Amino acid sequence: GAGVSQSPSNKVTEKGKDVELRCDPISGHTALYWYRQSLGQGLEFLIYFQGNSAPDKSGLPSDRFSAERTGGSVSTLTIQRTQQEDSAVYLCASSRGLAGPEGEQYFGPGTRLTVT
Amino acid sequence: AQSVTQLDSHVSVSEGTPVLLRCNYSSSYSPSLFWYVQHPNKGLQLLLKYTSAATLVKGINGFEAEFKKSETSFHLTKPSAHMSDAAEYFCVVSDRRAGGTSYGKLTFGQGTILTVHP
Repeated sequence: GAGVSQSPSNKVTEKGKDVELRCDPISGHTALYWYRQSLGQGLEFLIYFQGNSAPDKSGLPSDRFSAERTGGSVSTLTIQRTQQEDSAVYLCASSRGLAGPEGEQYFGPGTRLTVT
Repeated sequence: AQSVTQLDSHVSVSEGTPVLLRCNYSSSYSPSLFWYVQHPNKGLQLLLKYTSAATLVKGINGFEAEFKKSETSFHLTKPSAHMSDAAEYFCVVSDRRAGGTSYGKLTFGQGTILTVHP
């Protein structure tokens, strides 16, 4: 079946502009995660959604970052007033949920964000 | 709190020789542990996972890993390297609550770049 998809695959934006990154999880997966992969910081957790529970936002680096998940499916990560240090690959993952010890997450191809 | 340390940032082997990528972890309870691989310009792919069943875990492409609680290690091995194994490998931990459910977020090691020479 279809995997996790993300759009756009590449995004170049000017410093100070807002950007939106989209993630379509695997159908039926109740949990959705955002991570960031950058040269200096490696792979970092940003936020995750599980069903109708309040999201875990503990990894968001600043209040310029926010995310929504509509209808329990598609998610949008928004970065306001982008800075050069936001340049990174943003990865989305989904999993069947937390009802068991599996925890296996399936990753999308990522969105490469470049802030000029 | 959970954390992962990959002991080598780069490992270089010759084709046909064994591969060993080292990983140590810390977690507050009983972790799930994973190895993911990332080929250049490709997404992350799950190689194998440990979730408290057998301590020796077999994954795809001939890789396996052994969970050693006493050493807090989860090293990745392969008996014979292939050129196609050249990639970056990430050791990953996810803590689990007493009931067995995961906390959700994954904590990644810094990655080990594997180079395979002909």
